[in-house]
Amino acid sequence: EGQLVEFGGGLVKPGGSLRLSCAASALSFTDYHMNWVRQAPGKGLEWVSSISGSGSFKDYADSVKGRFSITRDNGKNSVYLQMNGLRAEDTAVYYCAGRGYTYGDAFEIWGQGTTVTVSS
Amino acid sequence: QSVLTQPPSVSGAPGQRVTISCTGSSSNIGAGYDVHWYQQLLGTSPQLLIFGNTNRPSGVPDRFSASKSGTSASLAITGLQAEDEAYYYCQSYDNSLSYVFGTGTKVTVL
Repeated sequence: EGQLVEFGGGLVKPGGSLRLSCAASALSFTDYHMNWVRQAPGKGLEWVSSISGSGSFKDYADSVKGRFSITRDNGKNSVYLQMNGLRAEDTAVYYCAGRGYTYGDAFEIWGQGTTVTVSS
Repeated sequence: QSVLTQPPSVSGAPGQRVTISCTGSSSNIGAGYDVHWYQQLLGTSPQLLIFGNTNRPSGVPDRFSASKSGTSASLAITGLQAEDEAYYYCQSYDNSLSYVFGTGTKVTVL
């Protein structure tokens, strides 16, 4: 069964940058559109960004557009989220989630999450 | 911020039936996009519970069922069990906002 593992979270000052990584295993990585979803402390889920299997299509939530950038390296079965101009409101657990073809456009596989804290 | 509205909480005794509503609009659920449901146990990541409005992935108990009508969807849990205590989120797609999640509902087993 497939697995996603995120890493790269941490404490960063407002205005700073951070790069999150998500490594996939035991799945056909190029068959998956990959997504980042975040959850602020005590809050609900918020979709952040998506990238298609080839990497040619990318999409972003308005709240991060122009500050965050999603990329993938299919040779390394990994997806990344470069976060610049971080704000306090970006503090959250960031989940990597995969959308394959078996379950329509549902996010069928999730990682365990990595925590990003933006604070001075 | 969420465009899909869910009740903050529902509760029921073991064995009872509870339902969770997910109300959207003509730009998401009403536009014909599928609704999916996720279960998030305390301290864990979300897990797919229902996909394509009504379908259960293998391994999900049949006490979980869902439906969709117009601009809304609902999730039902029949024969409520202690291990069902969790947060539940609906999710769909929006013409303007891309993927959208519901506000989330906490299910408490009394």
